[in-house]
Amino acid sequence: QQQVKQSPQSLIVQKGGIPIINCAYENTAFDYFPWYQQFPGKGPALLIAIRPDVSEKKEGRFTISFNKSAKQFSLHIMDSQPGDSATYFCAASMSGPTDKLIFGTGTRLQVFP
Amino acid sequence: NAGVTQTPKFQVLKTGQSMTLQCAQDMNHNSMYWYRQDPGMGLRLIYYSASEGTTDKGEVPNGYNVSRLNKREFSLRLESAAPSQTSVYFCAGGHGFPYEQYFGPGTRLTVT
Repeated sequence: QQQVKQSPQSLIVQKGGIPIINCAYENTAFDYFPWYQQFPGKGPALLIAIRPDVSEKKEGRFTISFNKSAKQFSLHIMDSQPGDSATYFCAASMSGPTDKLIFGTGTRLQVFP
Repeated sequence: NAGVTQTPKFQVLKTGQSMTLQCAQDMNHNSMYWYRQDPGMGLRLIYYSASEGTTDKGEVPNGYNVSRLNKREFSLRLESAAPSQTSVYFCAGGHGFPYEQYFGPGTRLTVT
């Protein structure tokens, strides 16, 4: 019930394409869903996050779509660029005395010129 | 501000050796975390500290110990390293809700 399942494991797109990364969860107590971006040799960094009271959130070229009934959320990258090539992790957390994040297994995105 | 720093960046150990990974933050985080990252397995929580003076086990605590020395520092100790502990280790800090965590640059550990 604590798992977050992420797919695909890897993704290759051409510049300008719209890669989509999907995540699914079981625990309905989760109430915070962030996406982290990690470049090679670096630590992950927060990219964008959503709460379950909204169905979509946009920040620049990055959009999270959230489907509460299906317990799924996804990351869309509009007009993808070679500089977006990185590993992306979804995660989930719930309100409480601790703020642990449960991470998905990651998606390695490559954007070719 | 340096953010979250980790030392060392790289380390090679022989099976059975011990070592301590150091983490420090200057962002006044209440919470600190240790993760390991392995190919295809994402980030798995080893131990965390919700506040100074407290520590708790995460998903994969076996073979590790931690110390929250003060608010700034959170160390991870391997008492008797095993090849299965070959991994990249990340320290992170956070203020709690809304749960954004700030990661250090990582320590790449190889156990032979």
